Amino acid sequence: EIVVTQSPATLSLSPGERATLSCRASQSVSSYLAWYQQKPGQAPRLLIYDASNRATGIPARFSGSGSGTDFTLTISSLEPEDFAVYYCQQRSDSLTFGGGTKVEIK
Amino acid sequence: QLQLQESGPGLVKPSETLSLTCTVSGDSISSSSYYWVWIRQPPGKGLEWIGSISYSGSTYYNPSLKSRVTISVDTSKNQFSLKLSSVTAADTAVYYCAREVFGVVIYMDVWGKGTTVTVSS
Repeated sequence: EIVVTQSPATLSLSPGERATLSCRASQSVSSYLAWYQQKPGQAPRLLIYDASNRATGIPARFSGSGSGTDFTLTISSLEPEDFAVYYCQQRSDSLTFGGGTKVEIK
Repeated sequence: QLQLQESGPGLVKPSETLSLTCTVSGDSISSSSYYWVWIRQPPGKGLEWIGSISYSGSTYYNPSLKSRVTISVDTSKNQFSLKLSSVTAADTAVYYCAREVFGVVIYMDVWGKGTTVTVSS
């Protein structure tokens, strides 16, 4: 099973700051990596697929990069609505999620 | 606009079988471009994939749950279903169904709102 590890567990930032979230797979997943945002009481929402492609309707401040085992989700300038939990998910071999990164207001 | 809606009992007794249905509206479930997925989230924890099914009935499951999980599809009703047997308190979670686009790229683009299932006597 491919293990997906996200870091940090919590990121404390202020609106307007840049957020950098990391996701590491225990073996190569090529570019079969997606990112989801989840707010309290809501279902996850797709942000990024294929490591770097923004989903429909996702603002340009969200970007994804990486391939193989190391991936990054960047939010260039945090808006109030961006404070949430973010999950990465690999789909190269079966399907596994990372443990999540909570982006909280500092 | 595609929508997914989970339904089923909100309370299940320990050792019994949890049964949920996901109803797909706004599009046909019968497309080779998609898989249909069950995911759960225990209170305060992360997301866990349970299993997936194609419209033709091909399934694959999380190895850690495989012995207790059955996912089926009913194309005539545009639904797919989850059965999880021998439940314990550890199976208490919000259960989500989702559509997975399956092709050159793979991702889950549409999710249901989720349904809470509590395992308790």
